[in-house]
Amino acid sequence: EIVLTQSPGTLSLSPGERATLSCRASQGVSSSYLAWYQQKPGQAPRLLIYGASSRATGIPDRFSGSGSGTDFTLTISRLEPEDFAVYYCQHHGSSALTFGGGATVEIK
Amino acid sequence: EVQLVESGGGLVQPGGSLRLSCAASGFTFSNYAMSWVRQAPGKGLEWVSGISGSGGSTPYADSVKGRFTISRDNSKNTLYLQMNSLRAEDTAIYYCAKAWGSSWLSSCPDWGQGTLVSVSS
Repeated sequence: EIVLTQSPGTLSLSPGERATLSCRASQGVSSSYLAWYQQKPGQAPRLLIYGASSRATGIPDRFSGSGSGTDFTLTISRLEPEDFAVYYCQHHGSSALTFGGGATVEIK
Repeated sequence: EVQLVESGGGLVQPGGSLRLSCAASGFTFSNYAMSWVRQAPGKGLEWVSGISGSGGSTPYADSVKGRFTISRDNSKNTLYLQMNSLRAEDTAIYYCAKAWGSSWLSSCPDWGQGTLVSVSS
């Protein structure tokens, strides 16, 4: 089973700054099967990125995804107040859906 | 507009049973696979089970295998999760999530708001 490790666990930044979140897979995976979600307190997760780099419907272009093999990155180019949340990566290419442990982007 | 509305959560004693439902609307339900994903209080996301559009494929996470059963009624546009032999560690918000297509091996573009299951004596 593929394990996804997200880092850092918490990122403390100010609005307008750039956020870079990492997701490392325990073995190489196809970028077609890597997604990113955002979750705010009391809300369901929201799909941001699928296929490692494609933005879901309605997602602002300040969100971008990249990577291949075992290393994937979610970048938020300029943090808006509504972007402070928890982010999860997900793999869906094997016998289960697997989520990373999550990474919190908090206001500094 | 896709809508997914979960129901059936509540407080149950250890060893008890509960059936969750997810009512779907805004899309052709039978064409899409679905999943249940849970989130324990203050914890991350954990996939529980998935089901193909036809209902023929129903994988489970090891943590619930043999205790939980996923099913769907395409005539009622409803997804179910029968949970038996519940344990304290099953306490979580349970979300239903829609796949991109007929395979459950998919990212999930649409989610319900979740229903809370609490297992406690």
